Amino acid sequence: SYVLTQPPSVSVAPGKTARITCGGNNIGSKSVHWYQQKPGQAPVLVVYDDSDRPSGIPERFSGSNSGNTATLTISRVEAGDEADYYCQVWDSSSDYVVFGGGTKLTVL
Amino acid sequence: QVQLVESGGGVVQPGGSLRLSCAASGFTFSSYGMHWVRQAPGKGLEWVAFIRYDGSNKYYADSVKGRFTISRDNSKNTLYLQMNSLRAEDTAVYYCAKYASSYVDYWGQGTLVTVSS
Repeated sequence: SYVLTQPPSVSVAPGKTARITCGGNNIGSKSVHWYQQKPGQAPVLVVYDDSDRPSGIPERFSGSNSGNTATLTISRVEAGDEADYYCQVWDSSSDYVVFGGGTKLTVL
Repeated sequence: QVQLVESGGGVVQPGGSLRLSCAASGFTFSSYGMHWVRQAPGKGLEWVAFIRYDGSNKYYADSVKGRFTISRDNSKNTLYLQMNSLRAEDTAVYYCAKYASSYVDYWGQGTLVTVSS
């Protein structure tokens, strides 16, 4: 089955840029989606189809996808961005939804 | 606005059964596929099952195949997950989630299932 690999943790100072990667075999050929989850809350979609943002999500959140790596970029990081972030694809070969293991973003 | 409200969670013994429900509102339920996604305590998200808008096709994670059944009643705007032969490793918060293309655009708040003797 398809596997998505994320770093367990990323740390960044306020005002700086955070980059969270999601690795997968030829992931650039798939649509990648990103979710933010704060403690005790349900996940929230922050980027879909590699780089689109749902309404209400700040422009500071952006995404890219090429080759074997997709990246979620958070610019001008704020304390409120501290959360777990998950990437996700639909594996059409197996009709499975696949999530990455998640990355804990810490704002220093 | 879209609302998804799960219910039916609780404590069950290993080998037991439980049925989760998800009441949907704020959108045309019968037009959208739906997922169940779970999260074990302190762990990441794990997709469980998906059902197409009309119930014609259902897909399951290997970890629950043969034990869990996803279904829906479009006349009641409700999604279900019948869970049989429950194991300790099924302990998790179970989320109902609305399908949009290949991603989830709305999530419920989740219901906790604890499998323990």
